[in-house]
Amino acid sequence: EDKVVQSPLSLVVHEGDTVTLNCSYEVTNFRSLLWYKQEKKAPTFLFMLTSSGIEKKSGRLSSILDKKELSSILNITATQTGDSAIYLCAAGLWKDSNYQLIWGAGTKLIIKP
Amino acid sequence: DTGVSQNPRHKITKRGQNVTFRCDPISEHNRLYWYRQTLGQGPEFLTYFQNEAQLEKSRLLSDRFSAERPKGSFSTLEIQRTEQGDSAMYLCASSLGGNFNYGYTFGSGTRLTVV
Repeated sequence: EDKVVQSPLSLVVHEGDTVTLNCSYEVTNFRSLLWYKQEKKAPTFLFMLTSSGIEKKSGRLSSILDKKELSSILNITATQTGDSAIYLCAAGLWKDSNYQLIWGAGTKLIIKP
Repeated sequence: DTGVSQNPRHKITKRGQNVTFRCDPISEHNRLYWYRQTLGQGPEFLTYFQNEAQLEKSRLLSDRFSAERPKGSFSTLEIQRTEQGDSAMYLCASSLGGNFNYGYTFGSGTRLTVV
């Protein structure tokens, strides 16, 4: 069964700290790993990773994929209260000629001022 | 057209009633997805369309659920004889065919509460 597991489930840190969120996957016909940030409403897209070992960066956020370990991490440096959210990862795979996403349950991140 | 639009934003209904949600995807996106999300869980796939064709339905989509995308543009999701377990956020997303570089674009969702 295809599955995506995120850890930790929740994390509380102080502003300015650096956090690392983990995502591991077991899927057939893996194609990509996506990270989303979800605040009160719908998830907003952060990164899509397809190649192992190549870091993607956007401001204080960065992510990297390790296909050998079937995992990805999302780093946030110098955290701010606005980073408080649920961070979701999803594995993209081909199934029956269709591209689909298998989602993790998310990591709830709380940044204290 | 700046994103995926969903209506209504909130819906409270009595158990046993029927409800219908609407999703307007980004106009050039030919794929449209419905997900359901409950508290503490990632989005669960329900169904998806490529243009007007419904290509896949999850086992989660019982006979009480039906989705349409009659002209390949907007889509509706209907739940008949609602049950309390149907209470969730229903998310719609769209994408442009095989261009996955930007993931899926989600709407703000419709939060359904069945009382």
